[in-house]
Amino acid sequence: DGGITQSPKYLFRKEGQNVTLSCEQNLNHDAMYWYRQDPGQGLRLIYYSQIVNDFQKGDIAEGYSVSREKKESFPLTVTSAQKNPTAFYLCASSISQHEAFFGQGTRLTVV
Amino acid sequence: AQRVTQPEKLLSVFKGAPVELKCNYSYSGSPELFWYVQYSRQRLQLLLRHISRESIKGFTADLNKGETSFHLKKPFAQEEDSAMYYCALSGPMGTSGSARQLTFGSGTQLTVLP
Repeated sequence: DGGITQSPKYLFRKEGQNVTLSCEQNLNHDAMYWYRQDPGQGLRLIYYSQIVNDFQKGDIAEGYSVSREKKESFPLTVTSAQKNPTAFYLCASSISQHEAFFGQGTRLTVV
Repeated sequence: AQRVTQPEKLLSVFKGAPVELKCNYSYSGSPELFWYVQYSRQRLQLLLRHISRESIKGFTADLNKGETSFHLKKPFAQEEDSAMYYCALSGPMGTSGSARQLTFGSGTQLTVLP
């Protein structure tokens, strides 16, 4: 089943801990994106990447980090510097100027 | 900076009535505009894009560069159209081959009443 997979579906983190969200795609897409979805605020871009070993900050990159060591993978780390990390996180991939495909999302809760 | 504005967070219409979801954008250049939809318990998915000029599920959207708008319209709403709708904008590839930013609006929750 081809597509884009995010794991885990639910994630709990203690305050002060870093946590990494996984995003894998087998669509051979070059571009990958991370968004944060909060009620009433829509999707806000955290980081995006066009090719391996290259990524750009989005609108709300503070407190987050990413890597793009492989074309298929674009993990997002939520660091302890992120003051309000509880949210729904969406990963997407696309071929340039074409449709973006989204994962099912990861709901992160800080406890 | 690129920006997408959807002024209505909630929109309710009756079945069979026309519906228009507003989208305005800010971008200094020629953007690519999209509408994405998220049905309950489903993934966010593409509804339509302006470059293809197609009608999907009876929805159309016209890019108006003068008004910097890309409103989504449907002449007769159906109950199954109830969903969250997002307008999105993508700029061209950077000159250094850097990634293209895909920016979304805050979304409009459409409810079609029976």
